[in-house]
Amino acid sequence: QQPVQSPQAVILREGEDAVINCSSSKALYSVHWYRQKHGEAPVFLMILLKGGEQKGHEKISASFNEKKQQSSLYLTASQLSYSGTYFCGTEQNSGNTPLVFGKGTRLSVIA
Amino acid sequence: KAGVTQTPRYLIKTRGQQVTLSCSPISGHRSVSWYQQTPGQGLQFLFEYFSETQRNKGNFPGRFSGRQFSNSRSEMNVSTLELGDSALYLCASSRSFPGGDYNEQFFGPGTRLTVL
Repeated sequence: QQPVQSPQAVILREGEDAVINCSSSKALYSVHWYRQKHGEAPVFLMILLKGGEQKGHEKISASFNEKKQQSSLYLTASQLSYSGTYFCGTEQNSGNTPLVFGKGTRLSVIA
Repeated sequence: KAGVTQTPRYLIKTRGQQVTLSCSPISGHRSVSWYQQTPGQGLQFLFEYFSETQRNKGNFPGRFSGRQFSNSRSEMNVSTLELGDSALYLCASSRSFPGGDYNEQFFGPGTRLTVL
């Protein structure tokens, strides 16, 4: 079942913060976050695993609330390079079920 | 390390035709997943192949099919094309060992299919 992302779109000025939420009605094993810039492929940002482990490659933080089956991506002190569409992908079982992506949150950072 | 490659990058077809898209995963990756991306719908999962076997399938009609070869390269085929099939088709590869560690996916640049 497709996770629900909110907000659908957000506009920030450089230096402002934003939170993107991803909610699922199913019990999750992991939540994955990707960013896609216009005309490019989605790029991995972070994985949050059941049990609290996080693995990521950028200076972006996130949380995973297992009770609510909800993840939040925190973008602080936003930069112009943060602009793009953010997708969360949810996984129900490790390695055995496909990632199901939300419809995305379009983030625009302006000077 | 070479990334995921997809060919062709752009395709224009007419209704009723069929099309085959190709995806070469990162070396050592055994899982290949295919997604359809259209404006406003996000990434819709088509299917996943692991070690030449289709492991998971999304909610798409039987006109959409795929396969994976022994070198992990994958192809996707769409028969009897419809206007609504116009989309960006992305493939992603991952290590994805069953019961293994996390499942980071690496996406290719996509194939832009236009059906006229």
